[in-house]
Amino acid sequence: QSVLTQPPSASGTPGQRVTISCSGSSSNIGRSFVNWYQQLPGKAPKSLIYSSDQRPSGVPDRFSGSKSGTSASLAISGLQSEDEADYYCAAWDPNGQFVFGTGTKVTVL
Amino acid sequence: DVQLVESGGGLVKPGGSLRLSCAASGFSFTTTWMSWVRQAPGKGLEWVGRIKTKADGGTTDNGPPAQGRFTISRDDSKNTLYLQMNSLKTEDTGMYYCTTGFGDHWGQGTLVTVSA
Repeated sequence: QSVLTQPPSASGTPGQRVTISCSGSSSNIGRSFVNWYQQLPGKAPKSLIYSSDQRPSGVPDRFSGSKSGTSASLAISGLQSEDEADYYCAAWDPNGQFVFGTGTKVTVL
Repeated sequence: DVQLVESGGGLVKPGGSLRLSCAASGFSFTTTWMSWVRQAPGKGLEWVGRIKTKADGGTTDNGPPAQGRFTISRDDSKNTLYLQMNSLKTEDTGMYYCTTGFGDHWGQGTLVTVSA
């Protein structure tokens, strides 16, 4: 059972900005970096954001991450059809466990 | 380019065992922590565990699904990561991915089906 809560779904039209939240606690997000992963339909996940706000090379700058207190957010600006996917946040907890969020399905209308 | 290729998945009966492998290339395996992540059909991601480098002690940390039943190991001479799974349950069914670090790079996964 995940301790990081995400909205089950989010949607937007092409070009819009979509934001996904990831809510945790002082035990995980409050004291850890946050990573974000994108999973396209039928594919393996891939790293989208690491250390809360850093993009791996090759990830478009339309994707941005932030963290404040015990919550984190992923923003997709200029939404494109190829952004339709599942998105997961993740962070460490004090027991040394790496915990994933519940996941958010992004739909491009 | 980083490549991670998992193998060893398949159909196994409840209570059985399976060993998954992950062949790594394109990066310094010896100096990289490695992890296993799984995903049940239609469900979210679940961290199985990770193993540190030999230089960092080679120790492992397991997530809740792995504790007491799964063992993560590595063979640096073969650039290969392993997941030994014992006492398998139907709820262990899913895709198993190996990743570098904490999900920097992912393999394509290998499917494990536990069914009578």
